[in-house]
Amino acid sequence: SQTIHQWPATLVQPVGSPLSLECTVEGTSNPNLYWYRQAAGRGLQLLFYSVGIGQISSEVPQNLSASRPQDRQFILSSKKLLLSDSGFYLCAWSQGGDTQYFGPGTRLTVL
Amino acid sequence: EDQVTQSPEALRLQEGESSSLNCSYTVSGLRGLFWYRQDPGKGPEFLFTLYSAGEEKEKERLKATLTKKESFLHITAPKPEDSATYLCAPVAGGTSYGKLTFGQGTILTVHP
Repeated sequence: SQTIHQWPATLVQPVGSPLSLECTVEGTSNPNLYWYRQAAGRGLQLLFYSVGIGQISSEVPQNLSASRPQDRQFILSSKKLLLSDSGFYLCAWSQGGDTQYFGPGTRLTVL
Repeated sequence: EDQVTQSPEALRLQEGESSSLNCSYTVSGLRGLFWYRQDPGKGPEFLFTLYSAGEEKEKERLKATLTKKESFLHITAPKPEDSATYLCAPVAGGTSYGKLTFGQGTILTVHP
């Protein structure tokens, strides 16, 4: 069966500090991978998606970037965090355009 | 632009009191519509996928239906453990990656 992991589970970072969130998927090959942000506990906003290694598409302009160094690894980064980057970050995977399955999420607080 | 509206925003029910949640959408070339359940502090959990108008799917006390403009999630005789936020997300055709447009969700609270 497939499993998706995210870490860390929670993170508190000062404004201006860098960020690295990691997502890995087990039990599947060549998945589509996604990063979402959920603000105020409601409404998921798609940030990035990837259909293959090194292939990243951005849905909204922002202070964040994503990378996919391996088939089942997806990383969300920032060089300098803003207060507005606070939120609940969710990674998801799918096979093609089919059902997306979500990870447990990372709660990021920028102070 | 794809739009999704879920109503009501919040719903309080007594245990055993059946009701429905609504998801209205405007999506070009609908390929499918997904329903998820989300507990506080956790990632969304997949419930159903509906692909065509008239389709229905059931899981325990939940039944999802789909029309050309709306989807309903019917909850029959709910229990307190059904309390959660329910999210709907239609997906448009024409892409290889499945761009979901999520609604804001309905927060369901079931009191014993």
